[in-house]
Amino acid sequence: GAVVSQHPSRVICKSGTSVKIECRSLDFQATTMFWYRQFPKQSLMLMATSNEGSKATYEQGVEKDKFLINHASLTLSTLTVTSAHPEDSSFYICSARDLRTPVGEQYFGPGTRLTVT
Amino acid sequence: AQSVTQLDSQVPVFEEAPVELRCNYSSSVSVYLFWYVQYPNQGLQLLLKYLSGSTLVKGINGFEAEFNKSQTSFHLRKPSVHISDTAEYFCAVILYNQGGKLIFGQGTELSVKP
Repeated sequence: GAVVSQHPSRVICKSGTSVKIECRSLDFQATTMFWYRQFPKQSLMLMATSNEGSKATYEQGVEKDKFLINHASLTLSTLTVTSAHPEDSSFYICSARDLRTPVGEQYFGPGTRLTVT
Repeated sequence: AQSVTQLDSQVPVFEEAPVELRCNYSSSVSVYLFWYVQYPNQGLQLLLKYLSGSTLVKGINGFEAEFNKSQTSFHLRKPSVHISDTAEYFCAVILYNQGGKLIFGQGTELSVKP
């Protein structure tokens, strides 16, 4: 149980275009999902917290107009990188918080490798 | 400010040797503690967690960790490592009543050599 999927696993796009990444909790409901960014050989940096039915909460320094997050249902959150540039190339990982666990343990997706050319 | 420090960025070790990956945290509130493993180009997998109770926590793949409140540490140990344990390991905390946000350490690259 507690499986989180991400789609796509890899995407290459041209500079100036937009890319959407999906994060789904497959066998549980998640009122809260988190989006992280990871650069090579570095730790995960929390970008935003996504709550179902409300606006996402962005961490300091993260451009909310560039990284659009939508949490439309209890099993789906999307991250759209708008007008992507090469510096947006990174590994993006989502996680979902299981309603059933009291501490809200997070389950991680497999990640999406974004390359902007 | 709350933070998590993993004291070793890289730990090389020979197969079947014991290993300890160190993690210290600083927080003014109670925390929940986690260790995650990340294999190349993959997401994170939970190894073990400390929420309350016994300070010695056993996880998957033969790993264990001990919560030491006085030293604010949560070191990860395995008595005998395998080649397949080669991966990146992250220590993380959730601050009590802080919305479940994970704060990660910098990561430790464990490299197991034959």
